[in-house]
Amino acid sequence: GAGVSQTPSNKVTEKGKYVELRCDPISGHTALYWYRQSLGQGPEFLIYFQGTGAADDSGLPNDRFFAVRPEGSVSTLKIQRTERGDSAVYLCASSLTGTGTGEITEAFFGQGTRLTVV
Amino acid sequence: DAKTTQPPSMDCAEGRAANLPCNHSTISGNEYVYWYRQIHSQGPQYIIHGLKNNETNEMASLIITEDRKSSTLILPHATLRDTAVYYCIVKPRNSGYSTLTFGKGTMLLVSP
Repeated sequence: GAGVSQTPSNKVTEKGKYVELRCDPISGHTALYWYRQSLGQGPEFLIYFQGTGAADDSGLPNDRFFAVRPEGSVSTLKIQRTERGDSAVYLCASSLTGTGTGEITEAFFGQGTRLTVV
Repeated sequence: DAKTTQPPSMDCAEGRAANLPCNHSTISGNEYVYWYRQIHSQGPQYIIHGLKNNETNEMASLIITEDRKSSTLILPHATLRDTAVYYCIVKPRNSGYSTLTFGKGTMLLVSP
């Protein structure tokens, strides 16, 4: 597709369970970002990938959160032992450039995955 | 990154110009001003960015004051579909990547 695709669009899980959220970035975009958005708040940065490596994971709230991007395209955000406070919309974005100099290019966002932990 | 201040909400009549202000008084010389918007139940969408000159594209115009401490996003003829939360973000030019620090933005309501 032409845009960033995220699956599933909605996920309901029980407290304590493990979940995986998937992001398909725009083809050719080397940079990929995960954000989390709680109700009434702006998106909050979680992690940034340049290619296959996590260049900045400073936004991950704790070690229950982990993300991978093994082939430099699709990324999976993994949450272990989910808690009710993890309920939020998880947004993925991609952009053309990542490291190095030069003007920042715009980030394209997906529609998000709404995670509800009950 | 420099912080921004935006009004929490604004109203605009359909067909009129919507002028959304943003204060970024601590902006430094290498920081750009970016605007994104988020329509309900969608991800944020890039609108426009600028450094010190005014910018215009098919979506909007960006007016940056000469001292760069504030800016205004202008939607020249607002439509109902422009109802969204608008985020003003400042970002270093060569920070290497597009990590964006979102505030709470301005909720723009366009009414018939």
